Amino acid sequence: DAKTTQPPSMDCAEGRAANLPCNHSTISGNEYVYWYRQIHSQGPQYIIHGLKNNETNEMASLIITEDRKSSTLILPHATLRDTAVYYCIVSPSQEYGNKLVFGAGTILRVKS
Amino acid sequence: NAGVMQNPRHLVRRRGQEARLRCSPMKGHSHVYWYRQLPEEGLKFMVYLQKENIIDESGMPKERFSAEFPKEGPSILRIQQVVRGDSAAYFCASSPWGQGATRAEAFFGQGTRLTVV
Repeated sequence: DAKTTQPPSMDCAEGRAANLPCNHSTISGNEYVYWYRQIHSQGPQYIIHGLKNNETNEMASLIITEDRKSSTLILPHATLRDTAVYYCIVSPSQEYGNKLVFGAGTILRVKS
Repeated sequence: NAGVMQNPRHLVRRRGQEARLRCSPMKGHSHVYWYRQLPEEGLKFMVYLQKENIIDESGMPKERFSAEFPKEGPSILRIQQVVRGDSAAYFCASSPWGQGATRAEAFFGQGTRLTVV
């Protein structure tokens, strides 16, 4: 079973920041937080990951709370092409490689 | 650098036939993962392979399903005697990082949509 809790859906206006929350209250010390997205039944796409520090790349920012029990994925300027299902995954990557456990995710709808 | 290539993209099989799904990982990637997505459901892990070895097959159905990743050539997911319940999207992912790595991003292919009629 997935070890994360995400809202089932969210809406965001085009050009605005999309903030997607994720709860992972049972995360353990060696587990990373990963975010992937799946656009209209295509293959999932890696977005970003982190352990305890905030991370930023060309796609998004990841904010992890100090106690690591929750995180937020931020898409700074959402576009219509960002409409997708977003998955928050915790993974003990050093032990299991890429055996990812996907939950239901959050359906993000970006609207013009 | 081409991405993960899966073929065929769409596959139709009659009940009782065999389905063979192919996955060519990205260049330099020696770790391959297969996932299945049933209609209106999430992705489920099936199997993790390295070259010539099955590392974790905990998500594979016990019967009719098998996977291989030979020294040369693509990884193959084989489903024997297909049934309608096998209809799903099958995704392959590859990674250059395996167990013991501090990074674990996976790169997914576009999937094979299997329809059993």
